[in-house]
Amino acid sequence: SQQGEEDPQALSIQEGENATMNCSYKTSINNLQWYRQNSGRGLVHLILIRSNEREKHSGRLRVTLDTSKKSSSLLITASRAADTASYFCATDAGGTYKYIFGTGTRLKVLA
Amino acid sequence: GAVVSQHPSWVICKSGTSVKIECRSLDFQATTMFWYRQFPKQSLMLMATSNEGSKATYEQGVEKDKFLINHASLTLSTLTVTSAHPEDSSFYICSARDQGTGPWPQHFGDGTRLSIL
Repeated sequence: SQQGEEDPQALSIQEGENATMNCSYKTSINNLQWYRQNSGRGLVHLILIRSNEREKHSGRLRVTLDTSKKSSSLLITASRAADTASYFCATDAGGTYKYIFGTGTRLKVLA
Repeated sequence: GAVVSQHPSWVICKSGTSVKIECRSLDFQATTMFWYRQFPKQSLMLMATSNEGSKATYEQGVEKDKFLINHASLTLSTLTVTSAHPEDSSFYICSARDQGTGPWPQHFGDGTRLSIL
């Protein structure tokens, strides 16, 4: 069964606005990762945050991790139309090398 | 950066046909590759873990005889959908971990869209 649940399922914003997506998971993890998927394509790795980290930045991306709540958030600032995609969180299924993906958030950025 | 090539990207075939999908790591060695299945507008579901030189490990509910996995070298894993039927139509994605740099992140192929008529 899937480990991660993401919300919202779909998000539509105007270009320039910020987009926030949330991910919750069920078991202990070593790290959590966020991926992006353009329609009909494979996944592109965005950012990895380890279980002992609370926040991480990469360009316009900001990820937080709260292991006590088993949740993470992805913030995309100053969004662009090109950010339109599905975003998935993935966890390492309790310390194994297998990834369990969340349900995903479909982001649409309107120009 | 690390690249994973998946082939074919798109295949349409008749019911009852067996279809082979290849997943290659182009510039790194991968002792472990993973196969996922994705239905439209849904998440990726892990099907199996492909281990070089040994049998694949399948997730619960995945039919081993239906989805044959072979990982004959450090750069190639294949998934064969045997006697495919319309319900097998889906988007199949592979990923590989670089044994030189560790398990994270995994590198994903661009996926194969399989349509069974």
